[in-house]
Amino acid sequence: GQQVMQIPQYQHVQEGEDFTTYCNSSTTLSNIQWYKQRPGGHPVFLIQLVKSGEVKKQKRLTFQFGEAKKNSSLHITATQTTDVGTYFCMNGGSQGNLIFGKGTKLSVKP
Amino acid sequence: KAGVTQTPRYLIKTRGQQVTLSCSPISGHRSVSWYQQTPGQGLQFLFEYFSETQRNKGNFPGRFSGRQFSNSRSEMNVSTLELGDSALYLCASSPPGLNTEAFFGQGTRLTVV
Repeated sequence: GQQVMQIPQYQHVQEGEDFTTYCNSSTTLSNIQWYKQRPGGHPVFLIQLVKSGEVKKQKRLTFQFGEAKKNSSLHITATQTTDVGTYFCMNGGSQGNLIFGKGTKLSVKP
Repeated sequence: KAGVTQTPRYLIKTRGQQVTLSCSPISGHRSVSWYQQTPGQGLQFLFEYFSETQRNKGNFPGRFSGRQFSNSRSEMNVSTLELGDSALYLCASSPPGLNTEAFFGQGTRLTVV
């Protein structure tokens, strides 16, 4: 079945360093969504990418969707301690049948 | 606007028992999805309901079931609990439309002993 692989599983960075997480699919994605889950919290929607090659920015966060719509990345510039959490990518698939990557857990050392 | 509400927040059950979890979606959202989150498996899709009908189902045994009421509130039931069912169960609701974002509740932390 459809799978969404996310790497790395863990990332430890010094505050101020950059961070990138990658999401890869074995099949073409109709769209991809990114979520952030703070420790002890619930996933919160960050952004959705739909078009091939799409790039979106939210302050220090840059999201990309590959040309073939099989991969995506989330890049954080100059991480802060508030960026701590687990970042998930998710393939929307058919409505409600959401397939999540296993997430990248980011820790930031002040 | 109130968010997605899940009750209870925490639950401890014994093996073999059954449990019912509740989810109240955001007003106006008719799609409700359920997920199981464990450290080892991550977020796994259980099922999705829309207008009282199960529209999608994940790869979980029949012990996991759900339903949705006319007011869009949803319940999830797990029968004959196993130790491996210990997890955070998350509910999410989505507004009308295709591939819209999911709004998650705080989750119910289930511990099976």
